[in-house]
Amino acid sequence: EAGVAQSPRYKIIEKRQSVAFWCNPISGHATLYWYQQILGQGPKLLIQFQNNGVVDDSQLPKDRFSAERLKGVDSTLKIQPAKLEDSAVYLCASSPGLAYENEQFFGPGTRLTVL
Amino acid sequence: GNSVTQMEGPVTLSEEAFLTINCTYTATGYPSLFWYVQYPGEGLQLLLKATKADDKGSNKGFEATYRKETTSFHLEKGSVQVSDSAVYFCALSDLSGTSYGKLTFGQGTILTVHP
Repeated sequence: EAGVAQSPRYKIIEKRQSVAFWCNPISGHATLYWYQQILGQGPKLLIQFQNNGVVDDSQLPKDRFSAERLKGVDSTLKIQPAKLEDSAVYLCASSPGLAYENEQFFGPGTRLTVL
Repeated sequence: GNSVTQMEGPVTLSEEAFLTINCTYTATGYPSLFWYVQYPGEGLQLLLKATKADDKGSNKGFEATYRKETTSFHLEKGSVQVSDSAVYFCALSDLSGTSYGKLTFGQGTILTVHP
């Protein structure tokens, strides 16, 4: 079974530039999550989708971050414009459903450096 | 809100030593508790979980018991190996609001095991 795919793996940009990350979840998984992991900290949820609808985006800085999930499958996370404090690893995860005891499967992450 | 606190690291042990990584949590309801592990160069993966009080999760020689009275979920292993070197994250998931399945992570503990 293929795991969660993310691209790119690494990205370096200058502040005020735009960047986009892509995630392909495990086939059949209804729930998709984007987390931000700053160096030395645990991952923090940015947004959660159930199929193609948003369940929770309360921690997403909506003035600069946006995310969508096309046809309930792939998802993109965009930052525009980027700030220095956005330097982090962006993790995508998926799970079969919303139940809180479901395991989440994580992708390898995209490491973003903002100069 | 929910929170997870892990013992500060990093932790350095010799092979075959006993491991304990402390984890305590704060939650309003009855969360599920998880330990995730991140091996060098890889994504987060579930190590073990417990969904109700007094449950014991176990996997690959690691164990953790859900202690509601002390709000703890300490990770233990009787004899660590070099291959256990990784970053370990304690996490909880609750049913509050609409965030079913949302994971709240601790800050992570780096474990290094020497031969």
